[in-house]
Amino acid sequence: NAGVTQTPKFRILKIGQSMTLQCTQDMNHNYMYWYRQDPGMGLKLIYYSVGAGITDKGEVPNGYNVSRSTTEDFPLRLELAAPSQTSVYFCASRKSGENTEAFFGQGTRLTVV
Amino acid sequence: GENVEQHPSTLSVQEGDSAVIKCTYSDSASNYFPWYKQELGKRPQLIIDIRSNVGEKKDQRIAVTLNKTAKHFSLHITETQPEDSAVYFCAASDTGFQKLVFGTGTRLLVSP
Repeated sequence: NAGVTQTPKFRILKIGQSMTLQCTQDMNHNYMYWYRQDPGMGLKLIYYSVGAGITDKGEVPNGYNVSRSTTEDFPLRLELAAPSQTSVYFCASRKSGENTEAFFGQGTRLTVV
Repeated sequence: GENVEQHPSTLSVQEGDSAVIKCTYSDSASNYFPWYKQELGKRPQLIIDIRSNVGEKKDQRIAVTLNKTAKHFSLHITETQPEDSAVYFCAASDTGFQKLVFGTGTRLLVSP
């Protein structure tokens, strides 16, 4: 059982480039999330989805886009990368319902230079 | 929307001492409060959680208490060990139980 899988693990981008961070889960979870974690800081919610075809903004959505065409996949797109987007990105998923554990991927460390 | 504040940001204790981390939340309708532990370079993992119909929950050396009236909850670690050193996050689910909002984290250092 793979759980939540993120790719890539590391990436260096130049300013202005774009990329997609991949996230897939095999637990049939409806809820999926993208968080960013800046050095020494907490987890800030970028976007989340409560099911295929449904996405919503979190606390820090600017500069990012998401899509949810299937239950399993929730890619995060960075357009026009900026140094402020240097961070560790975590994808997470949980079952629908009010009291369920979130499972995290291993993270993607992104550096924008 | 939900806002979660967490204190302290860093906590240093001697091995064997107790550690307490406190969180407050803003949405009175929130009713699920998990705690996650993140070791260096790793992903956050759930260590304990509490629902709003319970005031306290224990699991071996860790316990969580919840005060719904005051909108705060706390993590208690007793008999701390060096392997407890990590960053701990509290979280709360929002009114619709869909979003999971995290606190800013507490770096716990347990010295031998």
